[in-house]
Amino acid sequence: EADIYQTPRYLVIGTGKKITLECSQTMGHDKMYWYQQDPGMELHLIHYSYGVNSTEKGDLSSESTVSRIRTEHFPLTLESARPSHTSQYLCASSAGQGTPLHFGNGTRLTVT
Amino acid sequence: QKEVEQDPGPLSVPEGAIVSLNCTYSNSAFQYFMWYRQYSRKGPELLMYTYSSGNKEDGRFTAQVDKSSKYISLFIRDSQPSDSATYLCAMRLGINTGTASKLTFGTGTRLQVTL
Repeated sequence: EADIYQTPRYLVIGTGKKITLECSQTMGHDKMYWYQQDPGMELHLIHYSYGVNSTEKGDLSSESTVSRIRTEHFPLTLESARPSHTSQYLCASSAGQGTPLHFGNGTRLTVT
Repeated sequence: QKEVEQDPGPLSVPEGAIVSLNCTYSNSAFQYFMWYRQYSRKGPELLMYTYSSGNKEDGRFTAQVDKSSKYISLFIRDSQPSDSATYLCAMRLGINTGTASKLTFGTGTRLQVTL
C-alpha cells in the first residue's frame, strides 16, 4: 500500500474560517499533487509540485494555495472557506516523470 | 466535450460474472493508460498501467487499449463482491511532454457485484 497520509479525514467548518489540509508521504517522491473530486465528476488537478519550493496551479482554478518546504509534506490552505469549497480533496505523489500516482484517502471538506 | 468519457453506471452483476468497463477519449496524444479502483471513503488505488495499444493481464484483471479507436477497457473475470467499487480510467501524454505527469480522468463507473 502507498504510504501517503491525509488529515483530517473529515472536516466540517463554518464560512470564513482558515483551514489547512495536511498531506505527507514517506516514499521520498519528488512529485506531489492535489486533486478535487466531486460526486459523479472526474478528478480535477488543482495544484502540483515537482520538488521542494516548486508549486504550480493545475487545470482547475482554485482559491486554495499550497507550499512545499519539505519533500514529504504538501499542505493545502484555504484562507477563507466558503460553501463552494465543499468537496473531497485528494493528495497524490509519484516517483518520477510519467510514473503512476499514489493517492491518499482524501479529506472530505464541508463548509457550512 | 470531455476529453475522456466513461459511463457512470451503476453496473450491477452477479458474483462470478465477467465485467467489462470502458472509456473513450478524444486526444490521440494520450500514450499511457491507467485503471484505478476506488472504494467508498478511500482514495483511488492503481490497478493497471499500460502503454500504447495491446493487452495487459494481472490475475483476474485484463486491460485493453485500442489507440486506433481511442477506446480502453478493463475486464474483470470471476467477479467477487470485494470488487464492488468505483473504477476510474485515467490517461496521460507521452513522457517527453512537459505535462507528462498530469492525468486526465474519467468520471468513474460504479460497480456492484451481488451474491
